[in-house]
Amino acid sequence: QKEVEQNSGPLSVPEGAIASLNCTYSDRGSQSFFWYRQYSGKSPELIMSIYSNGDKEDGRFTAQLNKASQYVSLLIRDSQPSDSATYLCAVRPGSGAGSYQLTFGKGTKLSVIP
Amino acid sequence: DTAVSQTPKYLVTQMGNDKSIKCEQNLGHDTMYWYKQDSKKFLKIMFSYNNKELIINETVPNRFSPKSPDKAHLNLHINSLELGDSAVYFCASSLQANSGNTIYFGEGSWLTVV
Repeated sequence: QKEVEQNSGPLSVPEGAIASLNCTYSDRGSQSFFWYRQYSGKSPELIMSIYSNGDKEDGRFTAQLNKASQYVSLLIRDSQPSDSATYLCAVRPGSGAGSYQLTFGKGTKLSVIP
Repeated sequence: DTAVSQTPKYLVTQMGNDKSIKCEQNLGHDTMYWYKQDSKKFLKIMFSYNNKELIINETVPNRFSPKSPDKAHLNLHINSLELGDSAVYFCASSLQANSGNTIYFGEGSWLTVV
């Protein structure tokens, strides 16, 4: 059973601080990693994707991947109240029938306090 | 210009009824999905179709039957609805079934069984 684990939170950070969201996965063969943001009552929307070890930056967001440790994280710099949402980590295996689907973690609820 | 659209957005129905949720994507994607998000916000794959062919069928009661008349449409029919079927159902699509293609979600259909 392929699993994706996240701390459900809530994670509370003050406005302007760095929010750090973490995710671990069980399938060592996983190749594609995604972070989705989901506001309450809305659908998930893609924030970042990462495929190689290291860091990937996009504006205030940085995704970090460490395949050896089976760990992927999302950093949000200068956190804003509008960043308050649930962040879903998703992992796609590299091959086989399972590569056709994303496995999602249960999400971490982030609350940015003004 | 909604990329992935699903109807209805809200559905309240009685136990034992049969209902359908329709989904259409105008992105030209080959692959479509149905995900279920329960009350604890856990997002789980139900089905995936690639070019009208079923490629993923997770452990879902056979009361749930997907139908894909063409690659732009994937409808979900549910027979004999039960209280436990109450959830948000998300339709999604991606360019291709495998590799790192991003999955785009519809706005969700909130199903309440009473």
